[in-house]
Amino acid sequence: AQSVTQPDIHITVSEGASLELRCNYSYGATPYLFWYVQSPGQGLQLLLKYFSGDTLVQGIKGFEAEFKRSQSSFNLRKPSVHWSDAAEYFCAVGTLSGTYKYIFGTGTRLKVLA
Amino acid sequence: NAGVTQTPKFRILKIGQSMTLQCAQDMNHNYMYWYRQDPGMGLKLIYYSVGAGITDKGEVPNGYNVSRSTTEDFPLRLELAAPSQTSVYFCASSRPYRERAKAEAFFGQGTRLTVV
Repeated sequence: AQSVTQPDIHITVSEGASLELRCNYSYGATPYLFWYVQSPGQGLQLLLKYFSGDTLVQGIKGFEAEFKRSQSSFNLRKPSVHWSDAAEYFCAVGTLSGTYKYIFGTGTRLKVLA
Repeated sequence: NAGVTQTPKFRILKIGQSMTLQCAQDMNHNYMYWYRQDPGMGLKLIYYSVGAGITDKGEVPNGYNVSRSTTEDFPLRLELAAPSQTSVYFCASSRPYRERAKAEAFFGQGTRLTVV
């Protein structure tokens, strides 16, 4: 069965430090992968997506993610975190078998220390 | 440029009451989805639709119903509200599979529902 695992429920980093959020997926075919961000009381906003090609993808707000097929991972990174990055981050896979659906991980809540 | 619009934003229901959560999109998307978000659980798919007149169950459909009479609207109906349905509900839409290069989901702002 398709699934997405985000092993870190909470992460705390200092402002200016680097960030890596982990995401592992289980899917039988080439996945379509997404990272979304959710600020408190808001909906989900797309940060970046991977469909094919270059395994390092750039997104908005200075985020990037790297697809590693051998590790079934799609980790999100940012070289220098800003206080405004405090939010919840969701990794998702788009399934292509039958109809097109999105399966989400449980999310990682990021806290940024001043 | 509204995108996906959900109403209401907040609602308190008593056990056994019914209500409809409204969702509308103006992007002419074929696919629409309803998710519920519970703390520590991520988003769980309730129902989805691939076009007007076509709906199907997701992971957690019990206690809910949907209809899709137009491309734009995808209401979610709770018939007999239960405390277990206390959650934040998100509606989303996306382009069809064949346009996969553009196929990210667009989300509404959510409806926070409390059943007491």
